[in-house]
Amino acid sequence: NAGVTQTPKFQVLKTGQSMTLQCAQDMNHNSMYWYRQDPGMGLRLIYYSASEGTTDKGEVPNGYNVSRLNKREFSLRLESAAPSQTSVYFCASTRDRGNYGYTFGSGTRLTVV
Amino acid sequence: EDQVTQSPEALRLQEGESSSLNCSYTVSGLRGLFWYRQDPGKGPEFLFTLYSAGEEKEKERLKATLTKKESFLHITAPKPEDSATYLCAVETNAGKSTFGDGTTLTVKP
Repeated sequence: NAGVTQTPKFQVLKTGQSMTLQCAQDMNHNSMYWYRQDPGMGLRLIYYSASEGTTDKGEVPNGYNVSRLNKREFSLRLESAAPSQTSVYFCASTRDRGNYGYTFGSGTRLTVV
Repeated sequence: EDQVTQSPEALRLQEGESSSLNCSYTVSGLRGLFWYRQDPGKGPEFLFTLYSAGEEKEKERLKATLTKKESFLHITAPKPEDSATYLCAVETNAGKSTFGDGTTLTVKP
């Protein structure tokens, strides 16, 4: 019963490097989300996918791209990392947006130097 | 603009000392209010969903209530294992979700 699995758990990037954060859920959930969590700023939505085949921008999408590869997988890509993207990234999913709580992954701690 | 404010930022209690955490919100069209628990180094864990004023939900030592402007998370006779950060989030009818910054609860034995 894995729930939401995120990889990697930790990553250090140099400014300008690119990387993809992977997320997979095994609960047959329709909606998936990417959040970042920074001290004093709470959880902020980067991108979300209400259903397979759709993606939409959240509150802080600049510098990121996403791919909903299939119903299970939702990846987040940083094309050219910047120090301002140093954060903890969480992937989440839910069966029915607004009616059920989110199931979160354990997070990816990213440092950009 | 949708806003969610949690208070206090931090709360220290002795084991068995009951208290409440507050989540006040200003949103245009509330679909649901959610409470989560987050332990250090982990993702938030869903606790409750509340939909309308007057609604209450309970789980072990936790009880969540909702009014038109705020929600309370009451903790009765807390234990050290209840120590965590508690997050409140609201989702609007337009499908937008907003999280508060959380209240960090420490329960001393």
